[in-house]
Amino acid sequence: AQRVTQPEKLLSVFKGAPVELKCNYSYSGSPELFWYVQYSRQRLQLLLRHISRESIKGFTADLNKGETSFHLKKPFAQEEDSAMYYCALSGGGSARQLTFGSGTQLTVLP
Amino acid sequence: KAGVTQTPRYLIKTRGQQVTLSCSPISGHRSVSWYQQTPGQGLQFLFEYFSETQRNKGNFPGRFSGRQFSNSRSEMNVSTLELGDSALYLCASSLEGAYTEAFFGQGTRLTVV
Repeated sequence: AQRVTQPEKLLSVFKGAPVELKCNYSYSGSPELFWYVQYSRQRLQLLLRHISRESIKGFTADLNKGETSFHLKKPFAQEEDSAMYYCALSGGGSARQLTFGSGTQLTVLP
Repeated sequence: KAGVTQTPRYLIKTRGQQVTLSCSPISGHRSVSWYQQTPGQGLQFLFEYFSETQRNKGNFPGRFSGRQFSNSRSEMNVSTLELGDSALYLCASSLEGAYTEAFFGQGTRLTVV
């Protein structure tokens, strides 16, 4: 069975401070991992995926297979980063089935 | 291009009734997935359709069903509604292939009274 755990339901940081949103997963094969974000009154949207190894809006996430983690990081948080963040896993293959974590509500304080 | 469109946006139904929700995917997307979002259980996968065939199914009772039409539009149906079915139902469409992005609709808010 596949499982995604986001231990922090709420996270507050000050503007300019580093931020790290934690994500741990459980999956027996090679997972596809994603971070999705939902800004206030907007629809859920992809932030980044592990295969891309890119930085989006200053965010990066590295897949650590040894620790089964995919933490999301940003060195300097901005107020516009305030949103709900979901870590998600897909078991790969042709089927599109995402298993989501419970989400972390990030608030960046001025 | 137009995003994923879900109709209706809000629904109020009575226990025991049935309901049908609709999802129009992004043009060219043949995969459509449905998710249920509740405060207690979070986002849970219901099922996925591709080329009019259910390809994958989550752990939901048989009261939850769906279908996909030849134009890739999809519907989901919930029969014999229960209070616990109150939720935001999200639809997502994607292209075929690994690591493809799922594009989500704004959801249908179903309230069962």
